[in-house]
Amino acid sequence: GQNIDQPTEMTATEGAIVQINCTYQTSGFNGLFWYQQHAGEAPTFLSYNVLDGLEEKGRFSSFLSRSKGYSYLLLKELQMKDSASYLCAVRSYNTDKLIFGTGTRLQVFP
Amino acid sequence: DTAVSQTPKYLVTQMGNDKSIKCEQNLGHDTMYWYKQDSKKFLKIMFSYNNKELIINETVPNRFSPKSPDKAHLNLHINSLELGDSAVYFCASSQGAQGVYEQYFGPGTRLTVT
Repeated sequence: GQNIDQPTEMTATEGAIVQINCTYQTSGFNGLFWYQQHAGEAPTFLSYNVLDGLEEKGRFSSFLSRSKGYSYLLLKELQMKDSASYLCAVRSYNTDKLIFGTGTRLQVFP
Repeated sequence: DTAVSQTPKYLVTQMGNDKSIKCEQNLGHDTMYWYKQDSKKFLKIMFSYNNKELIINETVPNRFSPKSPDKAHLNLHINSLELGDSAVYFCASSQGAQGVYEQYFGPGTRLTVT
């Protein structure tokens, strides 16, 4: 089976940097996605990692270590609009399904 | 202009009723999905269709029946609604069923069963 763990809630200050961790257990790993979901809205795609290393996209970066079953999403220069839930999702070769973690609710304070 | 659209946005109904949610995507994608997000915000796959064929069918009560009349549409019909069916239902689509293809989500349908 698959198991994904993320912290439930995090808080940070505007302008700061925050790292949201995700650990997973899966057979036949075939990629890890990060999605952002604002309250009452649909999830939107942020990043995709399938190889080890760091993927950078503007203020957001995502890191993957397949041997450790570990990923993080790094948000720099936090803005108030970054207050949202961040969902880690893993796909396996065996099922092709995206299995989502329960999400991390980030609150950014002025 | 909307990529993935769902109707209705809100649905309030009584136990025992039958209801449908419609989904359409104009992205030209081959694969469409239905997800359920419960009150704890846990997003769980229910069904997936690729080119109108069912490819993922999770352990979902058979009161839920998806129908894909064509590649651009995936509807969800729910019979004999129960209180536990109350949730937000998201439709999504992707270019393919595997690999790097990200999923684009619709705005969601908030179903409340009373």
